[in-house]
Amino acid sequence: NAGVTQTPKFQVLKTGQSMTLQCAQDMNHNSMYWYRQDPGMGLRLIYYSASEGTTDKGEVPNGYNVSRLNKREFSLRLESAAPSQTSVYFCASSHPRPPFYSNQPQHFGDGTRLSIL
Amino acid sequence: QKEVEQNSGPLSVPEGAIASLNCTYSDRGSQSFFWYRQYSGKSPELIMSIYSNGDKEDGRFTAQLNKASQYVSLLIRDSQPSDSATYLCAVSTHSSGGYQKVTFGTGTKLQVIP
Repeated sequence: NAGVTQTPKFQVLKTGQSMTLQCAQDMNHNSMYWYRQDPGMGLRLIYYSASEGTTDKGEVPNGYNVSRLNKREFSLRLESAAPSQTSVYFCASSHPRPPFYSNQPQHFGDGTRLSIL
Repeated sequence: QKEVEQNSGPLSVPEGAIASLNCTYSDRGSQSFFWYRQYSGKSPELIMSIYSNGDKEDGRFTAQLNKASQYVSLLIRDSQPSDSATYLCAVSTHSSGGYQKVTFGTGTKLQVIP
């Protein structure tokens, strides 16, 4: 059972470079999320996709873009990387459905450790 | 005020003792509550979910919810060194359009001393 798969696992970039973090889930979940995790800050939502074809900003979207390619895949792009984007990035998925949309847990990928010099 | 608050710890308990982890939240409309365990360098892993007031037990873990006090806790009985990790409290609300809004606390680091 793969669950949520993220690639790459590690990446080092130079300031100004661009890159795309990939995420795929095989659980047929509707919703997908991108978080960053920094020491003392907890998990902060960057972007989410409630369902295929929709994306919305989260708490910290500046400097990022996303694409919900299909139901399985949700990518995060850094157009011009900055040292402040050095972090651990987690992709997650869940399957909110009626009547209790809020009661589905999120399932996380293994994360991408990104360093920007 | 943070939406979900946890004491960052570390909380140190001897092996075999009960570890008590606490979480408070600010949104009274919150509906579902989750506890995740995160080992150092790893991703969060769901260990408990609770939706109604009271206690929910699963093996050595007990989640407690008091919506009136906006308080959720996790008890770990017979703590083991393998329980040493950071525990994240997550609070979930249904927003418009079928979106599930989940807010995480910053986590409590638990150290179980052999």
